[in-house]
Amino acid sequence: DQQVKQNSPSLSVQEGRISILNCDYTNSMFDYFLWYKKYPAEGPTFLISISSIKDKNEDGRFTVFLNKSAKHLSLHIVPSQPGDSAVYFCAASSTGNQFYFGTGTSLTVIP
Amino acid sequence: GAVVSQHPSRVICKSGTSVKIECRSLDFQATTMFWYRQFPKKSLMLMATSNEGSKATYEQGVEKDKFLINHASLTLSTLTVTSAHPEDSSFYICSARRGSGANVLTFGAGSRLTVL
Repeated sequence: DQQVKQNSPSLSVQEGRISILNCDYTNSMFDYFLWYKKYPAEGPTFLISISSIKDKNEDGRFTVFLNKSAKHLSLHIVPSQPGDSAVYFCAASSTGNQFYFGTGTSLTVIP
Repeated sequence: GAVVSQHPSRVICKSGTSVKIECRSLDFQATTMFWYRQFPKKSLMLMATSNEGSKATYEQGVEKDKFLINHASLTLSTLTVTSAHPEDSSFYICSARRGSGANVLTFGAGSRLTVL
């Protein structure tokens, strides 16, 4: 049973434009959310996180938005760069417990 | 920054043999480590949570007798795939959490297991 879902397996965006990656979750106990970036044959690397007490967290070109009532979060990358091309996973956890990952969205930024 | 080393990065074995994968936190003590499995075009599936000095907690549907996890020290957790079969071929990734309550995982680079 997938508790964290990313319904778009892939996304293509022109360089310089905004990339929006979406994630939905079902478990209302989740209180911490993270985005990871993954290149082929490598482990994921942490990108940005957000606690359930916030609805927005920004770090440079990356902003994560959390809508708790909709159980939805999104990652905005602006401006998108070719080096951002990777698979992006969202993950969720409840304090002290496991981390559950979505299925990933493969982002391609076209130069 | 926090670094997690995973070894081997690639392993090929014959069906019926056992394979051990190591996960080490290099510059911090990891009280909790997690083991994930990634199928092609699929999510990272949490297999088990490994706590130092105690038995691992397995997710539903994961055979604990097949996937043996040992977390003998604060810097090392091992996953042993016993009596491997071709369907066990996958990309296995470990991650570590620095201290209890820490909410960011640091991942190893993953291990590609191919069972012939």
